[in-house]
Amino acid sequence: GENVEQHPSTLSVQEGDSAVIKCTYSDSASNYFPWYKQELGKGPQLIIDIRSNVGEKKDQRIAVTLNKTAKHFSLHITETQPEDSAVYFCAARTGANSKLTFGKGITLSVRP
Amino acid sequence: DVKVTQSSRYLVKRTGEKVFLECVQDMDHENMFWYRQDPGLGLRLIYFSYDVKMKEKGDIPEGYSVSREKKERFSLILESASTNQTSMYLCASSADRGGQPQHFGDGTRLSIL
Repeated sequence: GENVEQHPSTLSVQEGDSAVIKCTYSDSASNYFPWYKQELGKGPQLIIDIRSNVGEKKDQRIAVTLNKTAKHFSLHITETQPEDSAVYFCAARTGANSKLTFGKGITLSVRP
Repeated sequence: DVKVTQSSRYLVKRTGEKVFLECVQDMDHENMFWYRQDPGLGLRLIYFSYDVKMKEKGDIPEGYSVSREKKERFSLILESASTNQTSMYLCASSADRGGQPQHFGDGTRLSIL
């Protein structure tokens, strides 16, 4: 089955700097890649997603890039703010029924 | 906005009890999912359902069962709770069209004593 890996497990950046979180996947047939943000005490919230027929997608300060050849995709956050501090999960969709395989998550800390 | 509601935020039960976790979504989604979340292990899929009365095993179904009698409601059942089932449980739903995102509830933190 699909295997999604997310490294590192923690990331600390200074407010205003950029943060990049990378995920790799194993199944070349995967075609949908969402990113979720989970704040303390809440469920994961979708922040951006990308489909395999697109190389990059941007939404204000966040962007996602996909490299199908290397089987990795990355989340880019520019001009980080303290409220960006959270756990971020990447995922990949395999097969039908919208089933997702998640990475283990990364804790992003933005230092004021 | 999609709303996925989990009936309890915190729940404490004893070993051997039968435990029911309830989840309701208001967007007429076909697919519903149950995950457990543990530190360092991320989100692991327990069961999912793509239609009423339909269910499929996820990656860690042992010790759990599910019920989907109505489209909007998906129940997770711990037949005989054990301490290793202490965890955060997350419910999600999604539309049936390919590549649609899953929308999550805020979770139930379950402690088995």
